[in-house]
Amino acid sequence: AQSVTQPDIHITVSEGASLELRCNYSYGATPYLFWYVQSPGQGLQLLLKYFSGDTLVQGIKGFEAEFKRSQSSFNLRKPSVHWSDAAEYFCAVGVNRDDKIIFGKGTRLHILP
Amino acid sequence: DAGVIQSPRHEVTEMGQEVTLRCKPISGHNSLFWYRQTMMRGLELLIYFNNNVPIDDSGMPEDRFSAKMPNASFSTLKIQPSEPRDSAVYFCASTLTGSGAGYTFGSGTRLTVV
Repeated sequence: AQSVTQPDIHITVSEGASLELRCNYSYGATPYLFWYVQSPGQGLQLLLKYFSGDTLVQGIKGFEAEFKRSQSSFNLRKPSVHWSDAAEYFCAVGVNRDDKIIFGKGTRLHILP
Repeated sequence: DAGVIQSPRHEVTEMGQEVTLRCKPISGHNSLFWYRQTMMRGLELLIYFNNNVPIDDSGMPEDRFSAKMPNASFSTLKIQPSEPRDSAVYFCASTLTGSGAGYTFGSGTRLTVV
């Protein structure tokens, strides 16, 4: 069965600094990978997704993620964070595009002014 | 589009009472998912429907939980009887199968069982 590990429960970065959130997955075949963001009191919003093709995918709000098969990773990056990026970020893996997907436990991002 | 609509936003109930959570998916979406979020367990998939038919309910914790989707625009998640350990935020999400667009989540229902 597929699974997702987000090793960092909390990450704190200064505003304007670069960001990388880690995600490792476990799945025997090529997975479908997602990053979602959740602001306090809100549902989850899709940031970006990887299905196939170019391993570097661009998303909304200036985020990007890179799929590395050899490392079973799909890390999320942003070159310069803004205070509004403070939220919880979830990596997720699916067997196919629209079947059930499994979420990691999330990484809470804190931004220092 | 109004997005996925969940009601109520907050629910406080006493142990043993029946609780019904409601979800209206995005018009045109044909897959619907119910998730539960807690600090300890994160996001857990409870059940999902495709074309109003339950496809996988292996995440439903026990018989006290049941879900229905009588038509394409409405789904319910019922807990009877409720217990304090059911306290969580319950999310509904929908998507159009094959679109590759990902899920659209509702704002959730925060359930507190006292």
